[in-house]
Amino acid sequence: GESVGLHLPTLSVQEGDNSIINCAYSNSASDYFIWYKQESGKGPQFIIDIRSNMDKRQGQRVTVLLNKTVKHLSLQIAATQPGDSAVYFCAPGGADSWGKLQFGAGTQVVVTP
Amino acid sequence: GAGVSQSPRYKVAKRGQDVALRCDPISGHVSLFWYQQALGQGPEFLTYFQNEAQLDKSGLPSDRFFAERPEGSVSTLKIQRTQQEDSAVYLCASSRQGGSYNEQFFGPGTRLTVL
Repeated sequence: GESVGLHLPTLSVQEGDNSIINCAYSNSASDYFIWYKQESGKGPQFIIDIRSNMDKRQGQRVTVLLNKTVKHLSLQIAATQPGDSAVYFCAPGGADSWGKLQFGAGTQVVVTP
Repeated sequence: GAGVSQSPRYKVAKRGQDVALRCDPISGHVSLFWYQQALGQGPEFLTYFQNEAQLDKSGLPSDRFFAERPEGSVSTLKIQRTQQEDSAVYLCASSRQGGSYNEQFFGPGTRLTVL
């Protein structure tokens, strides 16, 4: 099957610093990519998405970059806060008709004071 | 606010027992997804409903897994003769419309532990 992989399983970041979470994907048919945040004991929560015809999208304190040539995307979190501690998933979608998402294993972000 | 709710939040079953997990999607949402999330892993797609029609069940791991959404709202995921490898968090998500891209809203999940 298709694979979605993350380069760093755990990322430790000092409060106030910027975080960068990377994600590689393999399905070139993916039409959009969504970043989710999952806190312990909760379901994934939408952060930001990006369509395949874009290479950059900004939200509140977050920026997603997409490089289709190398099938790589990243999530940048500015001024990381303790509340940003969670597992982050990238989820490519659009390769089917239903909106089925394919999650990678995730990156654990730990924010230290 | 009325998000996606799931019940029970925790379920412990003895190996061989049948379990039923419930999902209440956001009212009016057409699409409903079930995902299975093993410890330390990302969610894995199980099945998809558009209204009451189950359009994709390609992710169901075996014929012991069965899902239904008879009236196009509440959905139930049933696992027969549970095995230890079924231990996972089962997540339900709903989205407003059918089709390729609509934001999926996730419930908190049901943590199933099979002893």
